[in-house]
Amino acid sequence: EVQLLESGGNLVQPGGSLRLSCTASGFTFSNYAMSWVRQAPGKGLEWVSIIYSAGRSTYYADSVKGRFTISRDNSKNTLYLQMNNLRAEDTAVYYCAKDRGEGSGWPIFDYWGQGTLVTVSS
Amino acid sequence: DIVMTQSPDSLAVSLGERATINCKSSRSVLSSSDNKNYLVWYQQKPGQPPNLLIYWASTRESGVPDRYSGSGSGTDFTLTISSLQAEDVAVYYCQQYYSIPYTFGQGTKLEIK
Repeated sequence: EVQLLESGGNLVQPGGSLRLSCTASGFTFSNYAMSWVRQAPGKGLEWVSIIYSAGRSTYYADSVKGRFTISRDNSKNTLYLQMNNLRAEDTAVYYCAKDRGEGSGWPIFDYWGQGTLVTVSS
Repeated sequence: DIVMTQSPDSLAVSLGERATINCKSSRSVLSSSDNKNYLVWYQQKPGQPPNLLIYWASTRESGVPDRYSGSGSGTDFTLTISSLQAEDVAVYYCQQYYSIPYTFGQGTKLEIK
């Protein structure tokens, strides 16, 4: 059974940093691209970032470019999101999501974690 | 960026009736190289992560009931629920994966009338 478990969400002050983790199981993690998608309270979904299977290619939404870094450790089946210089508008539930197609890199997300809440406030 | 606009924002349909949700992209998401529409539909129930329903605009994900169908091409797409069930109450999102950033529609809230 595929499982994605996010952790690391917390209350942080504006300008602060946080690292989210997503531990995967039930599939060959190293064969799939992974993404982070966020959802502000009561709002819609926003794609944040994607990392391809080997970890060499990454892309970001303009709203987080230069502040967030996506990475992965395939030996630990874990996806990360390093978030720096956080702003109030980054407040959201952050989901990690798995690509449907092995090696495809197309962000068709067939499995999602339950999400971890990041609150940016003083 | 490709802007995705869904209509309506909310919809109330009687049990057993048809529900139709529209999604329009600001640019075509049809690829000329493979003739595929890079459009996906998700369902999100309260307190849960999204659930994949339809990809490539019209391919139903395994396990999704056949009352769900997707159609359209280019810039105009539709998600249809042929006979609404109580468990279909949710917010529905379209998303394009034709180009980065991979943008979502604002969501359509579906309720029972």
